[in-house]
Amino acid sequence: EVQLLESGGDLVRPGGSLRISCAASGVAFSHFAMTWIRQAPGRGLEWVSSIGGSGFSTYYDDSVKGRFTVSRDNSKNVLHLQMNSLRVDDTAVYYCAKEDSRVVGNNRLESWGQGTLVTVSS
Amino acid sequence: QSALTQPASVSGSPGQSITITCTGTSTDIGAYNYVSWFQLHSGEAPKLLIHDVHNRPSGISQRFSGSKSGNTASLTISGLQAEDEAEYYCSSYTSSSLYVFGTGTKVTVL
Repeated sequence: EVQLLESGGDLVRPGGSLRISCAASGVAFSHFAMTWIRQAPGRGLEWVSSIGGSGFSTYYDDSVKGRFTVSRDNSKNVLHLQMNSLRVDDTAVYYCAKEDSRVVGNNRLESWGQGTLVTVSS
Repeated sequence: QSALTQPASVSGSPGQSITITCTGTSTDIGAYNYVSWFQLHSGEAPKLLIHDVHNRPSGISQRFSGSKSGNTASLTISGLQAEDEAEYYCSSYTSSSLYVFGTGTKVTVL
């Protein structure tokens, strides 16, 4: 059974940085693309970033492009999201999700973690 | 990329069928069959219910079905049960970014 466990969520000041992670188990991690999705308080789901299985292909929503960097360590089965220049509107629960193929784009987010809360506030 | 449009809430009695619509544009739902539906119960990991417009992953009840017409996708829940009370989100591949989600629909079982 695939398990995804996010960690690293915290309270951060506006303009600050934070790295959140997603540890995967029960899966051949490098065979699958991964995606970050967030949900701000009282709001809907929002796609943030995706990365292919090899780690070479990365994609970002315009709202985070240039500030967030997605990466993965396939030797440790871990996905990361480095978040810089954080803004109040980045406050959200961040979920990681596993796609069902090595390549990003088919929107089959078949397994999700339970999320980690990132709060940006002064 | 604007969010796909869903009704804020839908309700039904046990045993009834309800349909949740998801309206996009010709650059997302209208152009691609990469439409998915997700169920969110508070405090739990989101669950994939439908992918590729109408396909159910293994383990998902046949009471959940999906369809698409033009720029609008739909999720139908048949034989509504108390456990179906949750939030539901559609999502689509989009040529303008990568993925776009719907605004979300809260389903209430009366």
